[in-house]
Amino acid sequence: KQEVTQIPAALSVPEGENLVLNCSFTDSAIYNLQWFRQDPGKGLTSLLLIQSSQREQTSGRLNASLDKSSGRSTLYIAASQPGDSATYLCAVTGGKLIFGQGTELSVKP
Amino acid sequence: GAGVSQSPSNKVTEKGKDVELRCDPISGHTALYWYRQRLGQGLEFLIYFQGNSAPDKSGLPSDRFSAERTGESVSTLTIQRTQQEDSAVYLCASSSTGEVQPQHFGDGTRLSIL
Repeated sequence: KQEVTQIPAALSVPEGENLVLNCSFTDSAIYNLQWFRQDPGKGLTSLLLIQSSQREQTSGRLNASLDKSSGRSTLYIAASQPGDSATYLCAVTGGKLIFGQGTELSVKP
Repeated sequence: GAGVSQSPSNKVTEKGKDVELRCDPISGHTALYWYRQRLGQGLEFLIYFQGNSAPDKSGLPSDRFSAERTGESVSTLTIQRTQQEDSAVYLCASSSTGEVQPQHFGDGTRLSIL
């Protein structure tokens, strides 16, 4: 059974800092891995999707990496801003999405 | 274009009543998913529709839960004889071809069972 774990559960950083969020999964047989952000009371916004054959994806200040063999992904956020404050979720798919519990990020001005 | 639309955004009902939640996917998206997010917990998969194939119902928690989809359009999730543990945010997502494409989520329906 696929299990997805995210570390840390919560993170507070000052504005401008670079940071890394971690995601690990137990079964490497995935189609892709997707990172989302969720703002309070809102649905999920897709940030990056990495296909199983890819190693990384970049969008603006965000960079996500995937190491399928070790069952790990990281989301790197450069020069963090208060607007980045949200819960970040990673999810793997072999059909349906299996989600981690999320990392709650707070970026302080 | 329009994103995934869910209605109602909030629903409060008494224990034992039936509720129906609606999802309008992005036009042209053949895959549609329902998830549940209970307070303080992660998202749980409920059901997956892909085109005209038989849906994957493996995540439905009990026979009180059912879902339908008409072709590649609207889906409804029905919960019969609601219980307090059904209180959650129910999220719908759609994608263009299924497993390898990103899923796009609606804002969810917040369901509260009194």
